[in-house]
Amino acid sequence: GAGVSQSPRYKVAKRGQDVALRCDPISGHVSLFWYQQALGQGPEFLTYFQNEAQLDKSGLPSDRFFAERPEGSVSTLKIQRTQQEDSAVYLCASSYGTGGERQYFGPGTRLTVT
Amino acid sequence: AQRVTQPEKLLSVFKGAPVELKCNYSYSGSPELFWYVQYSRQRLQLLLRHISRESIKGFTADLNKGETSFHLKKPFAQEEDSAMYYCALPRPSGSARQLTFGSGTQLTVLP
Repeated sequence: GAGVSQSPRYKVAKRGQDVALRCDPISGHVSLFWYQQALGQGPEFLTYFQNEAQLDKSGLPSDRFFAERPEGSVSTLKIQRTQQEDSAVYLCASSYGTGGERQYFGPGTRLTVT
Repeated sequence: AQRVTQPEKLLSVFKGAPVELKCNYSYSGSPELFWYVQYSRQRLQLLLRHISRESIKGFTADLNKGETSFHLKKPFAQEEDSAMYYCALPRPSGSARQLTFGSGTQLTVLP
């Protein structure tokens, strides 16, 4: 079936604007992760959902970042009042269970804040 | 806190030469480790995980607990191996098994 999809693939926002990034995980996958990847760095964890429950948001860099997965499938990462340091690729990943199985990554959304 | 270090940002080898991508980790306990790969214009994907002890595309990785390393090796590199490689360590326990990634090594295999 289809893999993890993310939209938009590219987003340019003026500083101060709000943005919403969408992730469609693989159907039936319980776990969903968001990562932030700055240029030249590896992905860094932002937040984790098990079904609709957000069980870990320890990686969210500030209270401007908010994520939800209301029905346990599609997830949205929202960034309010974007800043230049928010420019990065935002990756979504899903996995079948909760035991540390392989994660399947989406193509990412490249956010550029001008 | 757990940490993954990939000391080489860039690595170039000639086709047919052996290649080793280094990964060191800090972790208390018995770690699981993964190698993820990102080919040009493709998404990040799992290459191999140490507990399966398998060889994928000719690559192997052995966990050395004494040296806290999980280096990725291939005896004869191919041009199609050119990609970005990330070593990753999942959180040991708890509800979230998020991955801690190294900063990656860009491998270029020259013709």
